[in-house]
Amino acid sequence: GQQVQQSPASLVLQEGENAELQCNFSSTATQLQWFYQSPGGSLVSLLSNPSGTKHTGRLTSTTVTKERRSSLHISSSQTTDSGTYLCAIDRGSALGRLHFGAGTQLIVIP
Amino acid sequence: DPKIIQKPKYLVAVTGSEKILICEQYLGHNAMYWYRQSAKKPLEFMFSYSYQKLMDNQTASSRFQPQSSKKNHLDLQITALKPDDSATYFCASSQHLYEQYFGPGTRLTVL
Repeated sequence: GQQVQQSPASLVLQEGENAELQCNFSSTATQLQWFYQSPGGSLVSLLSNPSGTKHTGRLTSTTVTKERRSSLHISSSQTTDSGTYLCAIDRGSALGRLHFGAGTQLIVIP
Repeated sequence: DPKIIQKPKYLVAVTGSEKILICEQYLGHNAMYWYRQSAKKPLEFMFSYSYQKLMDNQTASSRFQPQSSKKNHLDLQITALKPDDSATYFCASSQHLYEQYFGPGTRLTVL
Protein backbone atom coordinates (compact mmCIF):
# COMPACT_ATOMS: atom_id res chain seq x y z
CA GLY A 1 0.00 0.00 0.00
CA GLN A 2 0.93 3.63 -0.26
CA GLN A 3 3.43 4.58 2.43
CA VAL A 4 2.74 8.31 2.37
CA GLN A 5 -0.81 9.59 2.10
CA GLN A 6 -1.64 13.24 1.65
CA SER A 7 -4.93 15.02 2.09
CA PRO A 8 -6.80 16.73 0.72
CA ALA A 9 -5.97 15.80 -2.88
CA SER A 10 -6.88 19.31 -3.95
CA LEU A 11 -7.82 22.55 -2.28
CA VAL A 12 -9.17 25.83 -3.63
CA LEU A 13 -8.78 28.96 -1.51
CA GLN A 14 -9.55 32.61 -1.80
CA GLU A 15 -6.42 34.74 -1.52
CA GLY A 16 -5.77 35.56 2.13
CA GLU A 17 -7.27 32.34 3.50
CA ASN A 18 -5.19 29.80 5.41
CA ALA A 19 -4.49 26.26 4.24
CA GLU A 20 -3.90 23.10 6.25
CA LEU A 21 -2.31 20.17 4.44
CA GLN A 22 -1.97 16.73 5.98
CA CYS A 23 0.56 13.94 5.56
CA ASN A 24 0.16 10.50 7.12
CA PHE A 25 2.75 7.79 6.82
CA SER A 26 2.63 4.09 7.51
CA SER A 27 6.16 3.52 8.86
CA THR A 28 8.75 5.18 11.06
CA ALA A 29 10.20 8.31 9.51
CA THR A 30 13.69 9.52 10.39
CA GLN A 31 13.42 12.36 7.90
CA LEU A 32 10.38 14.24 6.66
CA GLN A 33 10.42 16.97 4.05
CA TRP A 34 7.75 19.18 2.56
CA PHE A 35 8.26 20.25 -1.04
CA TYR A 36 6.56 22.69 -3.37
CA GLN A 37 6.22 21.69 -7.02
CA SER A 38 5.45 24.60 -9.31
CA PRO A 39 3.02 24.29 -12.22
CA GLY A 40 6.13 24.22 -14.41
CA GLY A 41 7.42 21.17 -12.56
CA SER A 42 10.34 22.47 -10.52
CA LEU A 43 10.71 21.11 -6.96
CA VAL A 44 11.65 23.30 -4.02
CA SER A 45 12.32 22.04 -0.52
CA LEU A 46 10.17 24.04 1.90
CA LEU A 47 10.91 22.48 5.26
CA SER A 48 12.70 19.54 6.77
CA ASN A 49 10.78 18.54 9.89
CA PRO A 50 11.10 14.98 11.21
CA SER A 51 9.59 15.97 14.57
CA GLY A 52 8.16 18.94 16.40
CA THR A 53 7.17 22.29 14.95
CA LYS A 54 9.07 24.44 12.48
CA HIS A 55 8.30 27.84 11.02
CA THR A 56 9.58 29.59 7.96
CA GLY A 57 7.86 32.70 6.66
CA ARG A 58 4.15 31.94 6.27
CA LEU A 59 4.71 28.19 6.63
CA THR A 60 4.41 26.13 9.80
CA SER A 61 4.96 22.40 9.89
CA THR A 62 4.06 20.18 12.84
CA THR A 63 5.15 16.55 12.88
CA VAL A 64 3.99 14.09 15.53
CA THR A 65 6.34 11.19 14.95
CA LYS A 66 4.59 8.72 17.28
CA GLU A 67 1.30 9.30 15.47
CA ARG A 68 3.00 9.17 12.04
CA ARG A 69 1.55 12.40 10.80
CA SER A 70 2.66 15.85 9.74
CA SER A 71 0.84 18.98 8.75
CA LEU A 72 1.77 22.04 6.74
CA HIS A 73 -0.04 25.26 7.54
CA ILE A 74 0.10 28.08 5.02
CA SER A 75 -1.10 31.39 6.38
CA SER A 76 -2.49 34.28 4.35
CA SER A 77 -2.35 32.40 1.06
CA GLN A 78 -1.27 34.20 -2.12
CA THR A 79 -1.95 33.37 -5.76
CA THR A 80 1.74 32.54 -6.13
CA ASP A 81 1.29 29.71 -3.60
CA SER A 82 -0.67 27.78 -6.23
CA GLY A 83 0.97 24.48 -7.10
CA THR A 84 1.43 21.02 -5.65
CA TYR A 85 2.69 20.37 -2.14
CA LEU A 86 4.51 17.09 -1.61
CA CYS A 87 5.37 15.29 1.59
CA ALA A 88 8.26 12.81 1.60
CA ILE A 89 9.75 10.57 4.28
CA ASP A 90 12.91 8.60 4.77
CA ARG A 91 12.08 5.35 6.57
CA GLY A 92 15.42 5.18 8.31
CA SER A 93 17.09 2.81 5.90
CA ALA A 94 20.29 4.93 6.05
CA LEU A 95 20.21 4.88 2.26
CA GLY A 96 18.70 8.33 1.67
CA ARG A 97 15.65 6.99 -0.09
CA LEU A 98 12.71 9.40 0.09
CA HIS A 99 9.15 8.07 -0.32
CA PHE A 100 6.79 10.65 -1.74
CA GLY A 101 3.07 11.15 -1.37
CA ALA A 102 0.85 11.98 -4.33
CA GLY A 103 0.60 15.59 -3.22
CA THR A 104 -2.02 18.23 -2.51
CA GLN A 105 -2.82 20.52 -5.40
CA LEU A 106 -3.47 24.02 -4.10
CA ILE A 107 -5.22 26.66 -6.16
CA VAL A 108 -5.42 30.17 -4.75
CA ILE A 109 -7.80 32.48 -6.55
CA PRO A 110 -7.63 36.28 -6.32
CA ASP B 1 23.35 30.79 -9.86
CA PRO B 2 21.72 27.37 -10.05
CA LYS B 3 23.21 25.01 -7.51
CA ILE B 4 22.10 21.79 -9.19
CA ILE B 5 22.38 21.67 -12.96
CA GLN B 6 20.61 19.11 -15.09
CA LYS B 7 21.14 18.83 -18.82
CA PRO B 8 19.33 18.77 -21.12
CA LYS B 9 16.08 20.33 -19.93
CA TYR B 10 14.08 18.49 -22.62
CA LEU B 11 15.01 15.33 -24.49
CA VAL B 12 13.20 13.47 -27.25
CA ALA B 13 14.42 9.99 -28.15
CA VAL B 14 13.32 7.13 -30.36
CA THR B 15 12.52 3.68 -29.01
CA GLY B 16 15.62 1.52 -28.72
CA SER B 17 18.11 4.39 -28.51
CA GLU B 18 20.39 5.33 -25.62
CA LYS B 19 20.62 8.64 -23.79
CA ILE B 20 22.63 10.14 -20.95
CA LEU B 21 21.12 12.60 -18.50
CA ILE B 22 23.63 14.93 -16.86
CA CYS B 23 23.61 16.16 -13.26
CA GLU B 24 26.11 18.39 -11.49
CA GLN B 25 25.76 19.87 -8.02
CA TYR B 26 27.65 22.80 -6.54
CA LEU B 27 26.35 22.57 -2.97
CA GLY B 28 29.34 20.63 -1.66
CA HIS B 29 27.12 17.65 -0.84
CA ASN B 30 28.44 14.12 -0.46
CA ALA B 31 25.28 12.28 -1.55
CA MET B 32 23.39 12.38 -4.83
CA TYR B 33 20.18 10.78 -6.02
CA TRP B 34 17.98 10.14 -9.03
CA TYR B 35 14.19 10.19 -8.93
CA ARG B 36 11.60 9.75 -11.67
CA GLN B 37 8.18 11.34 -12.03
CA SER B 38 5.87 9.74 -14.57
CA ALA B 39 2.51 11.20 -15.54
CA LYS B 40 -0.01 10.87 -12.71
CA LYS B 41 2.37 8.95 -10.45
CA PRO B 42 4.19 10.09 -7.30
CA LEU B 43 7.89 10.79 -7.51
CA GLU B 44 9.76 7.53 -7.19
CA PHE B 45 13.28 6.94 -5.97
CA MET B 46 15.75 5.31 -8.37
CA PHE B 47 19.32 5.48 -7.00
CA SER B 48 21.37 6.95 -4.20
CA TYR B 49 25.13 7.52 -4.15
CA SER B 50 27.24 8.56 -1.19
CA TYR B 51 30.90 9.51 -1.63
CA GLN B 52 30.61 8.27 -5.22
CA LYS B 53 29.53 4.79 -4.14
CA LEU B 54 26.18 3.24 -4.96
CA MET B 55 24.11 3.01 -1.78
CA ASP B 56 20.71 1.98 -3.05
CA ASN B 57 19.19 0.89 -6.34
CA GLN B 58 15.42 0.63 -6.64
CA THR B 59 15.15 0.30 -10.40
CA ALA B 60 14.15 -3.14 -11.61
CA SER B 61 15.92 -2.74 -14.93
CA SER B 62 19.65 -2.79 -15.70
CA ARG B 63 18.89 -0.42 -18.59
CA PHE B 64 19.29 2.39 -16.06
CA GLN B 65 22.92 2.93 -15.05
CA PRO B 66 24.16 5.81 -12.91
CA GLN B 67 27.68 7.05 -13.58
CA SER B 68 29.73 9.16 -11.15
CA SER B 69 32.94 10.48 -12.73
CA LYS B 70 33.47 13.21 -10.10
CA LYS B 71 32.11 13.61 -6.61
CA ASN B 72 29.71 16.36 -7.66
CA HIS B 73 28.50 14.56 -10.79
CA LEU B 74 25.95 11.80 -11.12
CA ASP B 75 24.82 11.08 -14.66
CA LEU B 76 22.13 8.61 -15.65
CA GLN B 77 22.58 6.41 -18.71
CA ILE B 78 19.43 4.83 -20.10
CA THR B 79 19.77 2.19 -22.82
CA ALA B 80 17.22 0.50 -25.09
CA LEU B 81 14.71 3.26 -24.40
CA LYS B 82 11.00 2.42 -24.27
CA PRO B 83 7.96 4.70 -24.43
CA ASP B 84 7.26 3.78 -20.76
CA ASP B 85 10.54 5.49 -19.83
CA SER B 86 8.94 8.83 -20.72
CA ALA B 87 9.03 10.88 -17.52
CA THR B 88 10.73 13.77 -15.82
CA TYR B 89 13.98 12.67 -14.20
CA PHE B 90 15.12 14.65 -11.18
CA CYS B 91 18.57 14.68 -9.69
CA ALA B 92 18.94 15.60 -6.02
CA SER B 93 21.75 16.04 -3.53
CA SER B 94 22.27 16.31 0.21
CA GLN B 95 24.72 15.83 2.97
CA HIS B 96 24.25 12.12 3.61
CA LEU B 97 20.80 11.51 5.19
CA TYR B 98 20.02 15.21 5.53
CA GLU B 99 17.62 17.49 3.65
CA GLN B 100 17.58 16.81 -0.09
CA TYR B 101 17.63 19.52 -2.74
CA PHE B 102 16.37 18.89 -6.23
CA GLY B 103 17.50 19.99 -9.67
CA PRO B 104 15.13 21.37 -12.30
CA GLY B 105 14.64 18.00 -14.00
CA THR B 106 15.06 16.57 -17.48
CA ARG B 107 11.83 15.85 -19.30
CA LEU B 108 12.33 12.75 -21.46
CA THR B 109 9.90 11.75 -24.18
CA VAL B 110 10.41 8.42 -25.94
CA LEU B 111 8.62 8.02 -29.28
